[in-house]
Amino acid sequence: GAVVSQHPSRVICKSGTSVKIECRSLDFQATTMFWYRQFPKKSLMLMATSNEGSKATYEQGVEKDKFLINHASLTLSTLTVTSAHPEDSSFYICSALDRIYGYTFGSGTRLTVV
Amino acid sequence: AQKVTQAQTEISVVEKEDVTLDCVYETRDTTYYLFWYKQPPSGELVFLIRRNSFDEQNEISGRYSWNFQKSTSSFNFTITASQVVDSAVYFCALRSGGSYIPTFGRGTSLIVHP
Repeated sequence: GAVVSQHPSRVICKSGTSVKIECRSLDFQATTMFWYRQFPKKSLMLMATSNEGSKATYEQGVEKDKFLINHASLTLSTLTVTSAHPEDSSFYICSALDRIYGYTFGSGTRLTVV
Repeated sequence: AQKVTQAQTEISVVEKEDVTLDCVYETRDTTYYLFWYKQPPSGELVFLIRRNSFDEQNEISGRYSWNFQKSTSSFNFTITASQVVDSAVYFCALRSGGSYIPTFGRGTSLIVHP
């Protein structure tokens, strides 16, 4: 089936630094990828829709200057959390839209900002 | 607008019991897709099933079965003879035909005790 690889799985960074999370579709081309944030014991909150070759579409309330999304190729989308603060600590998960399987998810990234 | 309701926040059962996770959806589209995902404690979301709105046939896969009822806008998921490894959060999701953006329910946390 479709596989999405997300890296890193865990990252700890200092407050004020930036962190980049990668999401790759391994065996299919993904023109559309999604970035979610999940708080403990909560549902997935869609942050943005990433379209290859164009600007991402952000959901209401998500700061696009803080959460930079780049989808430069059909197999890679990146999310950069800029000037991270402790309140950005969360579980971030990406997914890619595949014609057969629907939404295939990455394994998630646990971000801790100290 | 589309909406997915998983009314059960948490279900606790003893191993070998059968358990049904409820999912009720709302959409104005006649073409739509329904999904179930499993999120074990490790965090990744595992695809379980996709069903389109024109296929009301129930499906069985091993101990898993799904009951799709358009008349009640429900897509319930039953685990037969539950096992400890079934312990996870289960998400139901809906994608209407006119959109690539899925809507997730809040998830149901299933705890299976030995």
